[in-house]
Amino acid sequence: GAVVSQHPSRVICKSGTSVKIECRSLDFQATTMFWYRQFPKQSLMLMATSNEGSKATYEQGVEKDKFLINHASLTLSTLTVTSAHPEDSSFYICSAPRAAQSTDTQYFGPGTRLTVL
Amino acid sequence: RKEVEQDPGPFNVPEGATVAFNCTYSNSASQSFFWYRQDCRKEPKLLMSVYSSGNEDGRFTAQLNRASQYISLLIRDSKLSDSATYLCVVNDSGTYKYIFGTGTRLKVLA
Repeated sequence: GAVVSQHPSRVICKSGTSVKIECRSLDFQATTMFWYRQFPKQSLMLMATSNEGSKATYEQGVEKDKFLINHASLTLSTLTVTSAHPEDSSFYICSAPRAAQSTDTQYFGPGTRLTVL
Repeated sequence: RKEVEQDPGPFNVPEGATVAFNCTYSNSASQSFFWYRQDCRKEPKLLMSVYSSGNEDGRFTAQLNRASQYISLLIRDSKLSDSATYLCVVNDSGTYKYIFGTGTRLKVLA
């Protein structure tokens, strides 16, 4: 069964609104979670690393004030797309490694498809 | 140069065919390697990890050549259900960060 969940699975919003996406690890604790974005016909691009109890670290070119990340607990990270615009329309996916080893596999959430009108 | 490079395909093969995908990576310090499968509009799912000694899982065989910084995936006896995009993934050294290739599309034809 799924070990990482995301909510919502799909959201359509108007330009200028903010959208919150939740990522939960279901049966394990995740001190680190990752947020990716995937545009059509492209691969997943890492946006940021979400760290429980501390600030997220963002990849180059990703605006931290636009993509707010909060890792509120050991099982929950949220990504808020603030003042969304049509170019933010994408597939947002989170992932979490299951064990405290860098070589461990990551489990991906089912993704959230965001459409900004 | 991209960190992880794959031939985007598409590879159109008949059922029962053997098909091979290649992937190269630029960071020689990368520690771990994976093949993921992604179906249209879905999240990636782990297909297999890739070990230096090579590993096999049923019809799937993965190979790693650290000297050439090259990873391969071989699929034997292709099934219609194998149609998907195959993502080569490299774990950034010392972190959990995954670096994804652009993916190779496979379509298995009846």
